[in-house]
Amino acid sequence: QVQLQESGPGLVKPSETLSLTCVVSGGSVSSSSYYWTWIRQPPGRGLEWIGYIYNSGTTNYNPSLESRVTISGDTSNTQFTLRLTSVTAADTAVYYCARDTVGASPSFDFWGQGSLVTVSS
Amino acid sequence: SSELTQDPAVSVALGQTVRITCQGDSLRIYYASWYQQKPGLAPVLVIYAKNNRPSGISDRFSGSKLGKTASLTITGAQAEDEADYYCGARDSSGNSVVFGGGTKVTVL
Repeated sequence: QVQLQESGPGLVKPSETLSLTCVVSGGSVSSSSYYWTWIRQPPGRGLEWIGYIYNSGTTNYNPSLESRVTISGDTSNTQFTLRLTSVTAADTAVYYCARDTVGASPSFDFWGQGSLVTVSS
Repeated sequence: SSELTQDPAVSVALGQTVRITCQGDSLRIYYASWYQQKPGLAPVLVIYAKNNRPSGISDRFSGSKLGKTASLTITGAQAEDEADYYCGARDSSGNSVVFGGGTKVTVL
């Protein structure tokens, strides 16, 4: 059974960098079968796909966030990290990590519980 | 276009059938997946690809697609089906994922 768990600061100051880590149990970020993904949800609003890391190193990002986002994996292949630079209040959201099976239809079948990040001074 | 459009809210009487729709140009090429989200919890995948249900998902849930419209049907809605439902799909380039704005389903 795959489990994902997000961790990181719950409060980030405007203009600083948001950094979150997702620890994967029962799976590997090196797998070529899955996109290891970050998704966020502002309070009271819908889901927004941020991007993924695939096969340990290939990444793909939401064009609207691409200039500020980096997703990276570690050598153990059991965790991956989101970095979002120059944050503003609009980046306040619950951030989820999730597993997406490679294919024509996205299928986010395993999710972390979510990590609320508030951007405020 | 890379957007998916959903109706904001629908209601259904207990035991009746409700269809939730999702429209977008990329759906002419790709299938949608559907997610159920209850307050304070992470979304749960209920339908993916043509009409596949993950293990443990009730067969009350089914999916379909016609043209640029994908649909999620709940047959015999139960009180526990009351939730927000989101569609998701690859965008027209196939490189990104887009989500609909969500549909709040109320079971009366």
